[in-house]
Amino acid sequence: EADIYQTPRYLVIGTGKKITLECSQTMGHDKMYWYQQDPGMELHLIHYSYGVNSTEKGDLSSESTVSRIRTEHFPLTLESARPSHTSQYLCASSEVRGTEKLFFGSGTQLSVL
Amino acid sequence: SQKIEQNSEALNIQEGKTATLTCNYTNYSPAYLQWYRQDPGRGPVFLLLIRENEKEKRKERLKVTFDTTLKQSLFHITASQPADSATYLCALDEPSGAGSYQLTFGKGTKLSVIP
Repeated sequence: EADIYQTPRYLVIGTGKKITLECSQTMGHDKMYWYQQDPGMELHLIHYSYGVNSTEKGDLSSESTVSRIRTEHFPLTLESARPSHTSQYLCASSEVRGTEKLFFGSGTQLSVL
Repeated sequence: SQKIEQNSEALNIQEGKTATLTCNYTNYSPAYLQWYRQDPGRGPVFLLLIRENEKEKRKERLKVTFDTTLKQSLFHITASQPADSATYLCALDEPSGAGSYQLTFGKGTKLSVIP
């Protein structure tokens, strides 16, 4: 069982609201990631971080932002949610940069009405 | 960018048989390839990693092969059980600039093991 936690598990929110999806890991991993996944589709990398104060954008363009102030914490924020943001958001971390074996959280299913 | 194709969206097999899932990629050969299991509403769970210089890797009832000539990996589950029913994802590394690599995932194959 991976020690990486995401909250909330489910979130239903109205258009225009600001939301923050939380992700924390207790494994001391330097690298953390956010993926977006729609039903039946592949995971798309939207953000990643090599460590504290490091954030990079992934392959999939996203209107979300991330921060990495502490090693264990990697929150994702949407300033103004829209229905097109409805998706599952998965947080992950990895220990060894070379092998990139990922540990995933259970995900947050976001629905924007 | 790398394109990954997993043989089919869904695969149904009888309990006790061997399930074989295919992962094909189109561009450069990755340094390693990974397989994950994902259950509905959950995050993927790492199963196996195989490096480009390895032909085969085993873990209990699981076996992975890696053929860089064919640009293909096969994932086998022997003596399959209903509890093996899940979506299986193939993932491989892709350069993302400045010497770093990111994982690219396939869409997955949904395996159903019928009792």
